[in-house]
Amino acid sequence: DIVLTQTPLSLSVTPGQPASISCKSSQSLLHSDGKTYLYWYLQKPGQPPHLLIYEVSNRFPGVAGRFSGGGSGTDFTLKISRVEADDVGVYYCMQGIQPPLTFGGGTKVEIK
Amino acid sequence: EVQLVESGGGLVQPGRSLRLSCVASGFTFDNFAMHWVRQVPGQGLEWVSGINWISSGRGYADSVKGRFTISRDNAKNSLYLQMDSLRPEDTALYYCVKGRTPLVASGYLDSWGQGTLVIVSS
Repeated sequence: DIVLTQTPLSLSVTPGQPASISCKSSQSLLHSDGKTYLYWYLQKPGQPPHLLIYEVSNRFPGVAGRFSGGGSGTDFTLKISRVEADDVGVYYCMQGIQPPLTFGGGTKVEIK
Repeated sequence: EVQLVESGGGLVQPGRSLRLSCVASGFTFDNFAMHWVRQVPGQGLEWVSGINWISSGRGYADSVKGRFTISRDNAKNSLYLQMDSLRPEDTALYYCVKGRTPLVASGYLDSWGQGTLVIVSS
C-alpha cells in the first residue's frame, strides 16, 4: 500500500501570512497516462472533507486562488499564500493512483 | 446538485453485521465509481472500499478485506456496504463518496455525504 506522510502535524498561522504543508509518498504517483494522482482536501470542523486541488496543482472549481499545489513524483506541497480565518480545519493529501486509496495523516491549521 | 444520503448506522455488538446504504441524486449514478470512507471521530480519514460503475471492479482496505462487501444497484441509484464480523475498531463515521471517474482508481473523490455513525460495542 502507498503511504502518504504529511508534515507538519499542525500549524498556527497569523492571518495574512503564508502556510505550507508537505506530503511525501512512499511510491511515485505518476501514472503511465502522464497524470499524477495526488489530491488535497480540507475538512472544516463538523463537515465532510471537500476537494481543493486535483492532480497536484489544479484548483477545483470554486476554490480560492490563494490555494496552490505543487510537486512531482513522490514529493508534494500545498501552499496558502495568505491564510484567512475561514481556512481553519484539517488538510489531507490523498493518492488515487491505485487501490487501496490512501490519505495522509492530516495537518491541522489554526489561526493565531 | 449532487446529494448523497447515508443510512443504516447504529450500535451493534462485536461479531455482528450491519448494512449501510447510500442513496444518490443529482448526477448520472451509473457513470461513476462510488466509495466508502470512514473516520473515527477526532481522527483521520480511511478509505474503506470502492466499486466501479458497472460493479466489475472492487477494492478494499486491508483492514476490512474479507469482512466487508461493497455493492451497488444502479437502477436504484444506491450504494451499499455489508459489514460482517464487526470489531470495535470499525467504530467510525462512514461517508458515502462519489468518484470523479467510472474507475475505482485514477480519479478523485468529488462529493461526500454527511456520514452515518457506526458504533461497535458490547
